[in-house]
Amino acid sequence: GEDVEQSLFLSVREGDSSVINCTYTDSSSTYLYWYKQEPGAGLQLLTYIFSNMDMKQDQRLTVLLNKKDKHLSLRIADTQTGDSAIYFCAESIRGGGNKLTFGTGTQLKVEL
Amino acid sequence: DVKVTQSSRYLVKRTGEKVFLECVQDMDHENMFWYRQDPGLGLRLIYFSYDVKMKEKGDIPEGYSVSREKKERFSLILESASTNQTSMYLCASSFLTDTQYFGPGTRLTVL
Repeated sequence: GEDVEQSLFLSVREGDSSVINCTYTDSSSTYLYWYKQEPGAGLQLLTYIFSNMDMKQDQRLTVLLNKKDKHLSLRIADTQTGDSAIYFCAESIRGGGNKLTFGTGTQLKVEL
Repeated sequence: DVKVTQSSRYLVKRTGEKVFLECVQDMDHENMFWYRQDPGLGLRLIYFSYDVKMKEKGDIPEGYSVSREKKERFSLILESASTNQTSMYLCASSFLTDTQYFGPGTRLTVL
């Protein structure tokens, strides 16, 4: 079955890089997503990666995928206070329009 | 821009009441989803729908039902609310196999 795990908390200083990790169990995952949830809001898609890719970069965001270890990470460069939020990874075996399995979410706190 | 709206941001109900949570999307998406979000558990899928009048159970459908009479609207129904249904409820929609877009959420408290 599908299971997605994340650590619950991460604290970094403003200006440092943040790395949020995620492990998944379904080897047939074809799409992996990162969503951001700011306080009191819904989820906002940050980025996604296809399982045939190792890396994807989008401005301050870098996604790394290690398919052998079923490990996904999100790196945020030059972390700002506005990056404080909960970050969810999610997997789908048939694309986002079908069922997504979410991790527990990682609460990122950015300190001055 | 895709817009997914939910009828209420905050809702307080009493045990045993029938509760309706409404979700509307304006992008003609085929797929709509209802999740609940609880601390430490992430998001769990309650029900989803691929088309009008069509519904499928997600991972935790017990105690819930849904209705999709029109393409743009997907309703979540708690037939008899219980305190363990106190949670944040999130609706999402997507076009076929494309990305899911989320509404702002409804925080439901059952007393």
